Amino acid sequence: DVVMTQTPVSLSVSLGGQVSISCRSSQSLVHNNGNTYLSWYLQKPGQSPQLLIYKVSNRFSGISDRFSGSGSGTDFTLKISRVEPDDLGVYYCGQGTQYPLTFGSGTKLEIK
Amino acid sequence: EVQLQESGPGLVKPSQSLSLTCSVTGYSITSNYWGWIRKFPGNKMEWMGYISYSGSTSYNPSLKSRISITRDTSKNQFFLQLNSVTTEDTATYYCARGQGAAPFAYWGQGTLVTVSS
Repeated sequence: DVVMTQTPVSLSVSLGGQVSISCRSSQSLVHNNGNTYLSWYLQKPGQSPQLLIYKVSNRFSGISDRFSGSGSGTDFTLKISRVEPDDLGVYYCGQGTQYPLTFGSGTKLEIK
Repeated sequence: EVQLQESGPGLVKPSQSLSLTCSVTGYSITSNYWGWIRKFPGNKMEWMGYISYSGSTSYNPSLKSRISITRDTSKNQFFLQLNSVTTEDTATYYCARGQGAAPFAYWGQGTLVTVSS
């Protein structure tokens, strides 16, 4: 299975600040078709996860441009700029390149 | 707008079967892919499997032969059955729908299943 390693486990940020979350995969996430199926999700308190980013850097419908994804191969980053109170929760990366699909262990974002 | 809603028993005894239903509105399950994911106490998330628009299935090998995902297209529902459960199967279970390159674009609200005698 592809192991997804997220860092940090948790972080605290001031409103209006910027944060980065790292996600590393144990194998390259480049599919045979040339696409890289790396997604980011946010689970807000008391809610189900929501898709933020797919295929490394594509924002899902309705997602603010304050969220941006980057990376390639095995190293990926989610950046959140101008952090707002509604951004708190647990962020997960997930890979869809190889079966079984796997997720990172999560990064908890707290607001200072 | 697609909506997904999980339902089923919140408590299952060890060695019994866990059965959940995902009811879908606003979109036909004969299109796209439909999956089950669970989140364990703590933050660990596990993809369990999916059923496709054609009815084909794919399962996480970690669940071996315990899992089955089926559907009823007339009711626009799909189902999860997990056999021989143990306390380690205690989790919040989510159904989700894929879209294009995103395997889990839309999620249900989740249902907590506790395995306990």
